[in-house]
Amino acid sequence: QVTLRESGPALVKATQTLRLTCTFSGFSLSTSGMCVSWIRQPPGKALEWLAYIDWDEDKYYSTSLETRLTISRDTSKNQVVLTMTNMDPVDTATYYCARRRVDGRRGVIMVDFWGQGTPVTVSS
Amino acid sequence: QTVVTQEPSLTVSPGGTVTLTCASSTGAVTSGYYPNWFQQKPGQTPRALIYSTNNKHSWTPARFSGSLLGGKAALTLSGVQPEDEADYYCLLYFGGASVVFGGGTKLTVL
Repeated sequence: QVTLRESGPALVKATQTLRLTCTFSGFSLSTSGMCVSWIRQPPGKALEWLAYIDWDEDKYYSTSLETRLTISRDTSKNQVVLTMTNMDPVDTATYYCARRRVDGRRGVIMVDFWGQGTPVTVSS
Repeated sequence: QTVVTQEPSLTVSPGGTVTLTCASSTGAVTSGYYPNWFQQKPGQTPRALIYSTNNKHSWTPARFSGSLLGGKAALTLSGVQPEDEADYYCLLYFGGASVVFGGGTKLTVL
């Protein structure tokens, strides 16, 4: 059974750094094709993809946010951490982590399982 | 910056059929963009429906199907149920770090 759970502060102040942790189970990030993505959704707005880290520890970031984001993993703890620097009130959103899986044999890419999300408010 | 465009809103009658589309500012959407579709009901986490154009997850109801239509990715709901009222998002992969969600379609069943 695949599960993901986000954790982190509910409230941060502008200019601070946000650190979020995604703790997952039911799969290994060391397995070929496995990735963990971070996605956010401001209140009443659309989803926005932020970053992902894959089984080879390759890291990919949204071009609009890449100077502020760092993604890392702790395979032994089944955790992926996202840090976002210089937070601003416009970064107020629910932050989700989700599993992304690449099946090279079938030539497919899927985002299948999501965490429940963690709301983050940035105060000015 | 690549933009992915969806219809902002659509309305369908119960039992009817509706098609939602997902267009790219870079040109025609192909299977190489691995279109994924998600459903999100108010206050809930997004749920995956379709991956890589037309593949269903094990939990995806049979009335949902994915395709390519006129240079866009498409999600078709056949025999719409009241519980299908939700926001629907597409996701396209443009290679490497370029992964973009559409702006979402609010589907009303009326």
